[in-house]
Amino acid sequence: GEDVEQSLFLSVREGDSSVINCTYTDSSSTYLYWYKQEPGAGLQLLTYIFSNMDMKQDQRLTVLLNKKDKHLSLRIADTQTGDSAIYFCAERSSGTYKYIFGTGTRLKVLA
Amino acid sequence: GAVVSQHPSRVICKSGTSVKIECRSLDFQATTMFWYRQFPKKSLMLMATSNEGSKATYEQGVEKDKFLINHASLTLSTLTVTSAHPEDSSFYICSASSHRGSLPLHFGNGTRLTVT
Repeated sequence: GEDVEQSLFLSVREGDSSVINCTYTDSSSTYLYWYKQEPGAGLQLLTYIFSNMDMKQDQRLTVLLNKKDKHLSLRIADTQTGDSAIYFCAERSSGTYKYIFGTGTRLKVLA
Repeated sequence: GAVVSQHPSRVICKSGTSVKIECRSLDFQATTMFWYRQFPKKSLMLMATSNEGSKATYEQGVEKDKFLINHASLTLSTLTVTSAHPEDSSFYICSASSHRGSLPLHFGNGTRLTVT
């Protein structure tokens, strides 16, 4: 079945860039998402990208998609302590409502 | 942006009792709502999908008689955990979408359920 993989942890220093990676197996994925979860809270949609796009930038966030390798990344520029959270990537195929979530990457930002 | 409100945020109940969790879309009509369960340090597990006015679709392994879902209006879905047991203790998160799920999901803030 479909599978979405992420590394579990990432630690960066404040002011550096963070890159969170995600790989997926479903070649029919049409939509790919990044969500942020702070402790004890729900998921906050950060950004999303369609499979016909290679890159999307929104302020400090840059999403890169390599559809051939089924690899998605989220780059956070000038990482701040407030960016410390768990980041989930998710994919969805066209024609289905079902999201497949990755395992989540816990980002820790060191002051 | 779209806002989804989930209540209560935290509940502690005794074994054998039932607990109702509400999920509301505040500024849009949610034709589709989803209920997830999240175990500690784990990803989200989809429990069921509800479309307004019809029966919920449950994922494999989720007991529909234990987790009752009602989506009576375009802005409200409820999840009732019936005859709760300690193993039902978890973080439950709802999400909602319009256009039958074609737009990005927006999530509630989750409900931490503890069954003693």
